[in-house]
Amino acid sequence: AQSVTQLDSQVPVFEEAPVELRCNYSSSVSVYLFWYVQYPNQGLQLLLKYLSGSTLVKGINGFEAEFNKSQTSFHLRKPSVHISDTAEYFCAVSSYNQGGKLIFGQGTELSVKP
Amino acid sequence: NAGVMQNPRHLVRRRGQEARLRCSPMKGHSHVYWYRQLPEEGLKFMVYLQKENIIDESGMPKERFSAEFPKEGPSILRIQQVVRGDSAAYFCASSPTTRGDVNEAFFGQGTRLTVV
Repeated sequence: AQSVTQLDSQVPVFEEAPVELRCNYSSSVSVYLFWYVQYPNQGLQLLLKYLSGSTLVKGINGFEAEFNKSQTSFHLRKPSVHISDTAEYFCAVSSYNQGGKLIFGQGTELSVKP
Repeated sequence: NAGVMQNPRHLVRRRGQEARLRCSPMKGHSHVYWYRQLPEEGLKFMVYLQKENIIDESGMPKERFSAEFPKEGPSILRIQQVVRGDSAAYFCASSPTTRGDVNEAFFGQGTRLTVV
């Protein structure tokens, strides 16, 4: 079975400060990892994904994430956040034998303050 | 190219009524997934369907819930005899294929079901 743990339910940060949203996963097979963003009353939008290859993945809106197999982590980072980054962020895992089924973490609410 | 379309966006049902949620996948996508998001929680997988087939329904409650994806028309998530605990946002996602490949799943904007 697979699981995802997002270690922080809420992360408040000031505008232009760096941010890291933490994600750890558990799986007995090789995984694919994703970060999605959800703005209020909206669906989910893919920020970035790790399938294979380079462990540093760059996504949209200036976000990046690093896959660390030994620590089973996939933390999301941005060097300088904007007010518009205020949203809920979800880490998700899938694997080859699961089709396109995603297992999501509980979400991290990022609140960017001026 | 229209995205994943879900309707209605908001649905209010009284306890005991039936709720029908519709999802039209993106053009060319033959795989549909339903997820439920309870208040203050993440998304939980419910069911994975291809045209006329249920591939994985491991996340579906054993009673009152059913899903279909017919040859023609949208995918339908049906909840019979709704209870207050069914109040949630229901999201549909679609992808083109998963034959060993992991494709990006595109999400709709969700249907917010409120049971009164």
